[in-house]
Amino acid sequence: AQSVTQPDIHITVSEGASLELRCNYSYGATPYLFWYVQSPGQGLQLLLKYFSGDTLVQGIKGFEAEFKRSQSSFNLRKPSVHWSDAAEYFCAVGGNAGNMLTFGGGTRLMVKP
Amino acid sequence: EAQVTQNPRYLITVTGKKLTVTCSQNMNHEYMSWYRQDPGLGLRQIYYSMNVEVTDKGDVPEGYKVSRKEKRNFPLILESPSPNQTSLYFCATRGGSSSYNEQFFGPGTRLTVL
Repeated sequence: AQSVTQPDIHITVSEGASLELRCNYSYGATPYLFWYVQSPGQGLQLLLKYFSGDTLVQGIKGFEAEFKRSQSSFNLRKPSVHWSDAAEYFCAVGGNAGNMLTFGGGTRLMVKP
Repeated sequence: EAQVTQNPRYLITVTGKKLTVTCSQNMNHEYMSWYRQDPGLGLRQIYYSMNVEVTDKGDVPEGYKVSRKEKRNFPLILESPSPNQTSLYFCATRGGSSSYNEQFFGPGTRLTVL
């Protein structure tokens, strides 16, 4: 069975500081990995995704993520956080073995001025 | 404008009173899906549909029904709602057959069952 763990439920960073959100996954085949962002009262928006190739993936809004197969991780990073990045972030895993997408529990990011 | 719409956006109901949450998309996508979002649990997939008249169970299908009679619509039906179905529900669509393709989410429906 596939699963995703996001160990940090809440993270607070100062505006301008760097950010790393952790994601660990379990999947029996080659995974498709995703990061989605949910702003307050909104649906989810795709930030970036990874299947193969360069293990450092660039996304929208200045985010990037690094795939590490040996650690089963797909951590999300941003060098300098803006107040508008305050939101909830979800890591998800899927694959060509099925049509289901499994989400982690989410990490809520708060940004201090 | 590409859109996924859900109605209603907010609903308060009582135990046992049948309800339907509608989902409609204008992107001509084959794949549609329903999720529920609960604090600390992220989004969990209820049902999905690969195309008209093709539906399948997700992780948490108990207590829910779906139908896909037309490509653009994918209603979620709660025949006899219970308080443990109080949640935030999202409909999503995806173009193409690959699960690597991006899913587009509706704005959500907040359901409270008393």
